[in-house]
Amino acid sequence: SQKIEQNSEALNIQEGKTATLTCNYTNYSPAYLQWYRQDPGRGPVFLLLIRENEKEKRKERLKVTFDTTLKQSLFHITASQPADSATYLCALDSYNQGGKLIFGQGTELSVKP
Amino acid sequence: NAGVTQTPKFRVLKTGQSMTLLCAQDMNHEYMYWYRQDPGMGLRLIHYSVGEGTTAKGEVPDGYNVSRLKKQNFLLGLESAAPSQTSVYFCASRNPPAGEQFFGPGTRLTVL
Repeated sequence: SQKIEQNSEALNIQEGKTATLTCNYTNYSPAYLQWYRQDPGRGPVFLLLIRENEKEKRKERLKVTFDTTLKQSLFHITASQPADSATYLCALDSYNQGGKLIFGQGTELSVKP
Repeated sequence: NAGVTQTPKFRVLKTGQSMTLLCAQDMNHEYMYWYRQDPGMGLRLIHYSVGEGTTAKGEVPDGYNVSRLKKQNFLLGLESAAPSQTSVYFCASRNPPAGEQFFGPGTRLTVL
């Protein structure tokens, strides 16, 4: 069956370091992969989208990679700040999903000052 | 633009009661979605719609019904609420083919 897995354990890092979050998937052929940020008590907010034919995408301190051979996406936050503390979700979209966008369970990131 | 709005924000039901959650978007999006989010489970898709008058089942559709009579509205109904439906419900919308998804603020539902 189709599966999306993110680091289940919370990630704790020191301010200024680079945070790296992982999204692995099985039995999917995604056309697009998206990353979202969710703060407690709020709905997720879109951060970045990467297409299947793109290896890497950057936006300010954020970088996403997409390896369709490994079936994995990595999400990096460089020079992390306490304000980056949140839960980060990956989501997959494929041509044969009929419009469905399926989310991973999310990874909680905590950046300590 | 208000974006995606959800009504109500909070609700407490007794087992067996019914209710309807309303989602509205003002971005002229084609696709709309209902998710539930439980601790440790992430977002699970309940039902979704790819256009006015269409609906489709997601991962966890049992116990819920939906309707999309107008493009801007997507209603989620619980005919006979059960304690297992206690959750936070999020509505979302986007445009195909790769549009970013916009989420509402959520509805916190408790079924006693």
